[in-house]
Amino acid sequence: QSALTQPPSASGSPGQSVTISCTGTSSDVGGFNFVSWYQKHPGEAPKVVIYEVNKRPSGVSDRFSGSKSGNTASLTVSGLRTEDEGDYFCSSFADPAVWVFGGGTRLTVL
Amino acid sequence: EVHLVESGGGAVQPGGSLGLSCEASGVTDAKTYLGWVRQAPGKGLEWVSIIYSGGSIYYADSVKHRFVLSRDSSKKTMYLQMDNLRVEDSAVYFCVTVAAASLHFDNWGKGALVTVSS
Repeated sequence: QSALTQPPSASGSPGQSVTISCTGTSSDVGGFNFVSWYQKHPGEAPKVVIYEVNKRPSGVSDRFSGSKSGNTASLTVSGLRTEDEGDYFCSSFADPAVWVFGGGTRLTVL
Repeated sequence: EVHLVESGGGAVQPGGSLGLSCEASGVTDAKTYLGWVRQAPGKGLEWVSIIYSGGSIYYADSVKHRFVLSRDSSKKTMYLQMDNLRVEDSAVYFCVTVAAASLHFDNWGKGALVTVSS
């Protein structure tokens, strides 16, 4: 049950796009299309922004998009806004019936 | 709308025990799983345990043989008994639901703080 690998930080100016990567193995990210991404602000519960690699829950801005290639998943936030600042965590279902998270990426809107 | 409310938690010395409860309301899909995710201070999220709708239970290696997950017959309340607690178990514990079809954490409680310290 090793954690997925994310960059510790990412940044961009308002209106720009930023992409956060999430690297796992063939036992998790590469083996299943059950990658999800969560946004977390201090003192609040996490909120899912992407599930099943590239699906957006109802109510989540279409500025959030997800993709996957091999053992690496990515979250792209387009048209950055100050409210997008926060911590972002990727997660994947893995064999056998466990879930793994990435270490988290702090997104800063400059 | 799904509503998850955690209770329990608190402070305990290493080697001690604590229990957490989670009351779920508004869950309409019988296939929804219930589980726990934690976040230690200044750290990332960590999956802890899950109970499937059919009753199968799974644990992270870090808590296996120390934590026990259960639920009541109504399937609306879940319990996490935590024994032989370690300093590294200190965290905010979030109750979560998992959609069976998409296997993501779709609803979260506000969290309950567990502090293990001497």
